[in-house]
Amino acid sequence: EAGVAQSPRYKIIEKRQSVAFWCNPISGHATLYWYQQILGQGPKLLIQFQNNGVVDDSQLPKDRFSAERLKGVDSTLKIQPAKLEDSAVYLCASSLGGGSEQYFGPGTRLTVT
Amino acid sequence: GENVEQHPSTLSVQEGDSAVIKCTYSDSASNYFPWYKQELGKGPQLIIDIRSNVGEKKDQRIAVTLNKTAKHFSLHITETQPEDSAVYFCAASMVGGAQKLVFGQGTRLTINP
Repeated sequence: EAGVAQSPRYKIIEKRQSVAFWCNPISGHATLYWYQQILGQGPKLLIQFQNNGVVDDSQLPKDRFSAERLKGVDSTLKIQPAKLEDSAVYLCASSLGGGSEQYFGPGTRLTVT
Repeated sequence: GENVEQHPSTLSVQEGDSAVIKCTYSDSASNYFPWYKQELGKGPQLIIDIRSNVGEKKDQRIAVTLNKTAKHFSLHITETQPEDSAVYFCAASMVGGAQKLVFGQGTRLTINP
């Protein structure tokens, strides 16, 4: 069974630029999560989708971050404009549904200079 | 909201010895407590979890204990091996809702040969 796929693996941008990350969850997983993991900290949930609907985006900085999950499968997370404090690893995870084990992708390491 | 505290932040043990990592949580409604292992450049991987109707769970060299009254849970690794070296995260959530995982800050475990 293929795992959660993410791309790119690394991205370096200057502040005020925009960036997008892509996630392909495990086939059949209805729930998709985006986490932000700052160096030395645990992952923090940014947004959770159930199929193509948003379940929780309470910690998503909506003035600069946006996410979508078209057709309830792949998802993209966008940052525009980026700030220095956005430097982090962005992790995508998926699960069969709420209450099920979450499987994480390898993450995208973003560096904002 | 939920807050999870994890200790210690770093732990170094001799190969073959045991390692213990402790976490406390704040929301008494939380009823699901997973532990994740994160190796360099990879996403977190679930290694064991426990639900609130169980006080202890064991899987080979790994065990987790839960004290709901005190709101703390611990990870125990026995007969440690070099491949156990990684960062370990505890988390807490309430199953039945959106299953929003709140992570601890992580423990960097080093196994010395």
